[in-house]
Amino acid sequence: QVQLQESGPGLVKPSQTLSLTCTVSGGSISSGGYYWSWIRQHPGKGLEWIGYIYYSGSTYYNPSLKSRVTISVDTSKNQFSLKLSSVTAADTAVYYCARALATTVSPYFDYWGQGTLVTVSS
Amino acid sequence: QSVLTQPPSASGTPGQRVTISCSGSSSNIGSNTVNWYQQLPGTAPKLLIYSNNQRPSGVPDRFSGSKSGTSASLAISGLQSEDEADYYCAAWDDSLNGQMVFGGGTKLTVL
Repeated sequence: QVQLQESGPGLVKPSQTLSLTCTVSGGSISSGGYYWSWIRQHPGKGLEWIGYIYYSGSTYYNPSLKSRVTISVDTSKNQFSLKLSSVTAADTAVYYCARALATTVSPYFDYWGQGTLVTVSS
Repeated sequence: QSVLTQPPSASGTPGQRVTISCSGSSSNIGSNTVNWYQQLPGTAPKLLIYSNNQRPSGVPDRFSGSKSGTSASLAISGLQSEDEADYYCAAWDDSLNGQMVFGGGTKLTVL
């Protein structure tokens, strides 16, 4: 059974960089076939796709966030990470990591982490 | 404002059949498959339907999905109290070099 777990600071100051890591267990990121993803949910709102990465390092980002987002992968630790720069209060959200099957026309997220709330405040 | 349009709320009584719609465009639903997620209060979303109408293992057959043109629907038959949740549709969008887009979500209330 694949499990994903987000970790990182729950509070980030405005203008700083938000950094989160997702640790994958029960499966290997480097086995291929999946996009490793970040999705966020603003308080009381819907879901927003941030982007995802393939084990090879290929990345796909939400155009509205692309200038501030970096997703990277560390196959040796079976982890992938999110960095979001120049954050503002509008980036306060629950951040989820998830796995998406890479072989379909619309990749779907079959495993999700429990989510971690990140608050941007001074 | 979400790229995919869902009604903000839906409701039904136990045993009823309810449907939730998801409207898009030619660049997303019109050319790609639709997936649906269920989010129970305080939990992470869960995959409910993939590739328009496929159920993952463990999802009851009370849940079904369909797609026609640039719209999709999720149907829940034999409504149960535990179905009270938020439901989201999602699809790949071919515009702007491609991106995953979600609907705004529909809150289902079981009366």
